[in-house]
Amino acid sequence: AQSVTQPDIHITVSEGASLELRCNYSYGATPYLFWYVQSPGQGLQLLLKYFSGDTLVQGIKGFEAEFKRSQSSFNLRKPSVHWSDAAEYFCAVGGAGGTSYGKLTFGQGTILTVHP
Amino acid sequence: GAGVSQSPSNKVTEKGKDVELRCDPISGHTALYWYRQSLGQGLEFLIYFQGNSAPDKSGLPSDRFSAERTGGSVSTLTIQRTQQEDSAVYLCASGRQGSNTDTQYFGPGTRLTVL
Repeated sequence: AQSVTQPDIHITVSEGASLELRCNYSYGATPYLFWYVQSPGQGLQLLLKYFSGDTLVQGIKGFEAEFKRSQSSFNLRKPSVHWSDAAEYFCAVGGAGGTSYGKLTFGQGTILTVHP
Repeated sequence: GAGVSQSPSNKVTEKGKDVELRCDPISGHTALYWYRQSLGQGLEFLIYFQGNSAPDKSGLPSDRFSAERTGGSVSTLTIQRTQQEDSAVYLCASGRQGSNTDTQYFGPGTRLTVL
C-alpha cells in the first residue's frame, strides 16, 4: 500500500531564511506526487505536482520540489520564506490505477511557523 | 470562477443523530472526492466519484457513512447515528477528469462536532 511520511511535525524559520520540508513516500510504481498547503480555516491549495520528466518542479508562490527516486523523497524548498508562508504543508501521493485511481494518500503534515 | 463550496461550514450535533454534509464541485468537473481530516488520523480518503462510474467507497470507515452524487454534480455525505469519533473536518474536492495526474481543488470543509 502507498504511504507518505513527513518526518517534521513542526518547523520554525525566520523570515527571509531558506526552507526545506521533507517528504518520503512508499509506492510500488512510478509515483504521482503532490504538495498542498493549508492556511488556518482554509481548504487545501495545490503548490506543485510531479508525474514524470524533469525531477525539479516549480510551483506557485516561489516553491519548488525535487523528486529523488533513489531516496524515495520529494522535498519541498523555498529560498526565502515570507511571513505569509506560515501554514500547514501536506505531501501526497496519488494512486496509479484500479481501485486506487484518483485518490490521494497524505502525509501527516508539517506546520510551518515564520518568525519576523 | 467559483471554487468548491461546502455547507454547512460548521455542524454541531448530538451523538446518535444523522447529519448530511453538502458539496458543490466546480462546474464541469467530473471527479469528486471526500476526505476527512482529524487530529488523530490526519487526512484520510473516504470516497471518490468519477462520471457515471460506480464510486470507490474503499475509504468509508463504517456502514454508517454513505454518499451520493446527483446529476453528476452536487454530492451529499451522510453519517448516520453519529459517534464522537466522527468529529472531524470533512473536505470535498473536485477534479476535471479524475485521472491520477489530476489536480484536486478543495473546498473549505465542514467542521463536524459530535457531542
